[in-house]
Amino acid sequence: DIQMTQSPSSLSASVGDRVTITCRASQSISNYLNWYQQKPGKVPNLLIYAASSLQSGVPSRFSGSGSGTHFTLTISSLQPEDFATYYCQPTYSTPYTFGQGTKLEIK
Amino acid sequence: QVQLVQSGAEVKKPGASVKVSCKASGYTFTSYYMHWVRQAPGQGLEWMGIINPSGGSTTYAQKFLGRVTMTSDTSTSTVYMELSSLRSEDTAVYYCARGAVVPANLAYWGQGTLVTVSS
Repeated sequence: DIQMTQSPSSLSASVGDRVTITCRASQSISNYLNWYQQKPGKVPNLLIYAASSLQSGVPSRFSGSGSGTHFTLTISSLQPEDFATYYCQPTYSTPYTFGQGTKLEIK
Repeated sequence: QVQLVQSGAEVKKPGASVKVSCKASGYTFTSYYMHWVRQAPGQGLEWMGIINPSGGSTTYAQKFLGRVTMTSDTSTSTVYMELSSLRSEDTAVYYCARGAVVPANLAYWGQGTLVTVSS
């Protein structure tokens, strides 16, 4: 099974900051990697698929990059509504086990 | 529009089983895979498995093998997830989530069903 190591587990940042979250896969997964955002009490929301493709309706301040084993999610200028938990998910093969999550908090 | 409507909250005793439903509408039911994901209180997302509503083939996460059964009913556009031999660690919100053109892209989610396991 593919294991995902997500870092950091938590992060404090301010509105307007540029933020990067990283996921590393235990083996190469090409670009088979999705990113989700989850706000407290809400269902997860798909942000990025295939490592770098922006899901319809997602603001352009979100971007993804990477391939193989190293992936990043970047928020170019944090907005108040971006404070949430972010998860990566490999989609190369089952099981599609999520990363442990990164909680993004207001500094 | 795509809608996934799940059944209501459940309270079960340890050792019992629970069956959660997810009724789909707004698209061709048999054209997209359905996943089940759970989230224990204050914890992360845990992928449980996937079902192809067309034919009913399934793949389960190893952790749940022998305890989980996912089924589909094309006549009602509903998928089901049954989890048996419940223990307190199974207390969680259970979500169904629909795949997209790429089956693993979870673009649509049900509202979640809280299952509480308590004696």
